[in-house]
Amino acid sequence: QQPVQSPQAVILREGEDAVINCSSSKALYSVHWYRQKHGEAPIFLMILLKGGEQKGHDKISASFNEKKQQSSLYLTASQLSYSGTYFCGTANRSGNTPLVFGKGTRLSVIA
Amino acid sequence: GAGVSQSPRYKVTKRGQDVALRCDPISGHVSLYWYRQALGQGPEFLTYFNYEAQQDKSGLPNDRFSAERPEGSISTLTIQRTEQRDSAMYRCASSPRTFYGYTFGSGTRLTVV
Repeated sequence: QQPVQSPQAVILREGEDAVINCSSSKALYSVHWYRQKHGEAPIFLMILLKGGEQKGHDKISASFNEKKQQSSLYLTASQLSYSGTYFCGTANRSGNTPLVFGKGTRLSVIA
Repeated sequence: GAGVSQSPRYKVTKRGQDVALRCDPISGHVSLYWYRQALGQGPEFLTYFNYEAQQDKSGLPNDRFSAERPEGSISTLTIQRTEQRDSAMYRCASSPRTFYGYTFGSGTRLTVV
């Protein structure tokens, strides 16, 4: 079941914050977040496991609410380098199951 | 190697021909995944391997698609009797084991004319 991401696209000025949501109709075991720049491969940002943990590095963090079957990615004080398409990938059970990716959220940061 | 390597980067083939796409994962990575990505969309799962064993091929569109990883390292995705609808970016990814992030390769852009 493909997770649903929102918003589909967002435009920010440098320094502004953004939240990208990822929700599933099925119970989630883990959520991955990736960023892809135009013409490049997706790059892994972080993984969140069942248990409601919140992870982060620099000014990008994420939370995972297993009860609500959703995850959110938080980008604070955005930089031009944050521009790209963000994908969440979800796994519905434990073990080495392949991820199902959402359609992506296109983020544009402008000066 | 330092990253996931895919070859060729670009492949143009005539309808009806067979193609083989190669993926060389990061050394020591147990899991290898094949995805297909349409422009502006997220990666779509095709199949994956743990070591040499194909664990799930439920995403392969039809029996013209097959994949192998005979020695638990390099993998080949083969498409027989290609059709125009097979045109897409084919991406390979690998991960060390469960609960690690995927490292994606640069992909093979397949165009069927």
